[in-house]
Amino acid sequence: DAGVTQSPTHLIKTRGQHVTLRCSPISGHKSVSWYQQVLGQGPQFIFQYYEKEERGRGNFPDRFSARQFPNYSSELNVNALLLGDSALYLCASSRGTEAYNEQFFGPGTRLTVL
Amino acid sequence: GDSVTQMEGPVTLSEEAFLTINCTYTATGYPSLFWYVQYPGEGLQLLLKATKADDKGSNKGFEATYRKETTSFHLEKGSVQVSDSAVYFCALLNQAGTALIFGKGTTLSVSS
Repeated sequence: DAGVTQSPTHLIKTRGQHVTLRCSPISGHKSVSWYQQVLGQGPQFIFQYYEKEERGRGNFPDRFSARQFPNYSSELNVNALLLGDSALYLCASSRGTEAYNEQFFGPGTRLTVL
Repeated sequence: GDSVTQMEGPVTLSEEAFLTINCTYTATGYPSLFWYVQYPGEGLQLLLKATKADDKGSNKGFEATYRKETTSFHLEKGSVQVSDSAVYFCALLNQAGTALIFGKGTTLSVSS
């Protein structure tokens, strides 16, 4: 079975631009979470979606938004990019939202903002 | 708020040495605890977990015991291999069950 897939792998943008990152969960998984990993730091939680509804939001500005589609894939959108948004963006999927459901991570999208 | 503190690296060891990476947490209640590993060029992988006090998680020779008295979840391995070289992250699941809270990561480098 395919794991969590993310696209694109790498992305270079300039300040002020907008970016859309995509994630496809493992087949049968209904929950998708997004994390930001700045170089040298641990991942920080951005959003969790389950059955197309937002279930959790981390401490990120409103420039960050996301959605989940009927096929459970997800998009993360970031507006008005800042240099500090440069990071590895990780998507994780799980069967549900209960604590015992393992989160499986994708390889990430490396975003560079110039 | 919830937080995880783990020892800073890098940790440099010779093959077959004993490994300990310390991890302590601050959280409401008794959260599930995890160790994730990130090999060079790869995504995060769950290494082991423990969901309640005194539980011991184990996998691939690694172990960690959930100690509520000391709010700790230290990672240990009796004999490391070169292939264990990676970044290790300690994490907890928040009370709402919506987010993993990660430590900053510890880089392990094992030489032969």
